[in-house]
Amino acid sequence: AQSVSQHNHHVILSEAASLELGCNYSYGGTVNLFWYVQYPGQHLQLLLKYFSGDPLVKGIKGFEAEFIKSKFSFNLRKPSVQWSDTAEYFCALRNQAGTALIFGKGTTLSVSS
Amino acid sequence: DTGVSQDPRHKITKRGQNVTFRCDPISEHNRLYWYRQTLGQGPEFLTYFQNEAQLEKSRLLSDRFSAERPKGSFSTLEIQRTEQGDSAMYLCASSTGTEHLYGYTFGSGTRLTVV
Repeated sequence: AQSVSQHNHHVILSEAASLELGCNYSYGGTVNLFWYVQYPGQHLQLLLKYFSGDPLVKGIKGFEAEFIKSKFSFNLRKPSVQWSDTAEYFCALRNQAGTALIFGKGTTLSVSS
Repeated sequence: DTGVSQDPRHKITKRGQNVTFRCDPISEHNRLYWYRQTLGQGPEFLTYFQNEAQLEKSRLLSDRFSAERPKGSFSTLEIQRTEQGDSAMYLCASSTGTEHLYGYTFGSGTRLTVV
């Protein structure tokens, strides 16, 4: 069965620190992967996605993610976080049929100024 | 267009009552999805519509749950005989089939509390 796991439940960083959030998926076929962010009180917003091509994907707000097929990973990175990055981050895998997203449990990021 | 709209934002109901939620997707989006999100969990897929056809249902969608999208535009999700375990955020999302370009657009959700 397809699944997504996010290793870090809660990450606490100071402003300007670098960020890496882990995401591993379970599926042996062609994968479509997403990172969504949910700011407090707001809806889920797309940060970036990977469908094919360059495994290093750049998204909005300075975020990027690297698809490493051999590790079944799609980790999210940002070189320097800001207080406004405080949010919950979800990694998601599009299911085999292409009809739904399978989400990880999410990682809460708290950035102190 | 202002995105995916969901109504109501919050609903408190007594156990055993029926509730209905509405989702208005982005107008040109022919695909519509319902998800449920409980505390500390990521969203879990419930059901998928393409136009008015309900093409996929999760095992999470018990017999007490029913979803419709009668004219291929807005959708409703009804829960009959609510239970405390139904308390969750119910999310709606829509897309055009070009997810490789635009991903999926989510609404702000309806938070259901069953007391």
